[in-house]
Amino acid sequence: AQSVAQPEDQVNVAEGNPLTVKCTYSVSGNPYLFWYVQYPNRGLQFLLKYITGDNLVKGSYGFEAEFNKSQTSFHLKKPSALVSDSALYFCAVRAFSAGNNRKLIWGLGTSLAVNP
Amino acid sequence: DAGVIQSPRHEVTEMGQEVTLRCKPISGHDYLFWYRQTMMRGLELLIYFNNNVPIDDSGMPEDRFSAKMPNASFSTLKIQPSEPRDSAVYFCASSRSGTGGYEQYFGPGTRLTVT
Repeated sequence: AQSVAQPEDQVNVAEGNPLTVKCTYSVSGNPYLFWYVQYPNRGLQFLLKYITGDNLVKGSYGFEAEFNKSQTSFHLKKPSALVSDSALYFCAVRAFSAGNNRKLIWGLGTSLAVNP
Repeated sequence: DAGVIQSPRHEVTEMGQEVTLRCKPISGHDYLFWYRQTMMRGLELLIYFNNNVPIDDSGMPEDRFSAKMPNASFSTLKIQPSEPRDSAVYFCASSRSGTGGYEQYFGPGTRLTVT
């Protein structure tokens, strides 16, 4: 079955320290991978995606993610966390099926808390 | 450019009443998605359209839910009759076709409370 796992419900990091939010996936075919952020009482905002090319993908707000095919992972990273990065982060992967190729499978989300 | 627009932002209704949620996708986007978000079940895809045609409605909970897309710039999600367990935040999202266009852009959501 195709799936996405975000193994940590919550991540705590001090401001200025690097942060990592983990995501692993299981999907048939080449994965299309996405990260989104959700601030309180807001919709999800697209951060970055991997479809093909360089394994290190850069996105909005200084975030980047590294695609690792052998480990089936797509971890979100930022070199120096800001308090304003505190939010809920979702990983998603495109589901593959004939005639239905726009569906995304979503992780349950990881709550990131950046402490001043 | 305007993003995805949803209305109303908040809806409080009594059990048994009809509820209609509205969405205007980003201009030029030909895919439209309806999601429901709850603490218990996370983010669930209810239905999505391509060029106004429903492609996958397997996530629609039951016959009380229906969605339409009469034209490229408008979609509705209707719940009739509503029940307390329908309380959730409902999101609309849109995306465009073509390679590299798989990311979805979300609206601000409608918070539905059914009492």
